[in-house]
Amino acid sequence: DTAVSQTPKYLVTQMGNDKSIKCEQNLGHDTMYWYKQDSKKFLKIMFSYNNKELIINETVPNRFSPKSPDKAHLNLHINSLELGDSAVYFCASSQARSYEQYFGPGTRLTVT
Amino acid sequence: GNSVTQMEGPVTLSEEAFLTINCTYTATGYPSLFWYVQYPGEGLQLLLKATKADDKGSNKGFEATYRKETTSFHLEKGSVQVSDSAVYFCALTDNNDMRFGAGTRLTVKP
Repeated sequence: DTAVSQTPKYLVTQMGNDKSIKCEQNLGHDTMYWYKQDSKKFLKIMFSYNNKELIINETVPNRFSPKSPDKAHLNLHINSLELGDSAVYFCASSQARSYEQYFGPGTRLTVT
Repeated sequence: GNSVTQMEGPVTLSEEAFLTINCTYTATGYPSLFWYVQYPGEGLQLLLKATKADDKGSNKGFEATYRKETTSFHLEKGSVQVSDSAVYFCALTDNNDMRFGAGTRLTVKP
């Protein structure tokens, strides 16, 4: 009964490719998030999203786009991948924006 | 804006030693405060939380007290184990998104 799941766990791809990471939560939460964690473990929020509002961190390149087919899913699509996109990407969800968040296991993206 | 500052690591302790990881925050209003733990190869897990001043959060032998007067939420454990080796993140929320500290890596040696 994984609360927040992500696929794939590992993703290795070449520069210039387009890829997607999927996220699903079965907690009935209204808000979902994407984070990027660099090699020094620093967490950077990329997006927060509920069915009313998408908030984008202004430092995130527009090559990154979240797509939500329904309340339980928030996928991350990345166009024209670059070397600097290599990181671990975490999906998370919460009951509302100010509540504690529940994290997925992460997707390690390696761009070669 | 709101922010969290936690002590830089890495921290290396022997088993059964006392642990303190400092965390201070800057916030307008009355934030909720959290500690998350990230074990190797895993996502972040909520360790404990406190939602108002003087609240004490506790879990798995870890404790932290919400100190409004010093704007702090230091994490403590009386006797650490090898299995506590992980990265620890302090975080806060107000009415907006969660703000995380930079993380502190703890290594506990037998």
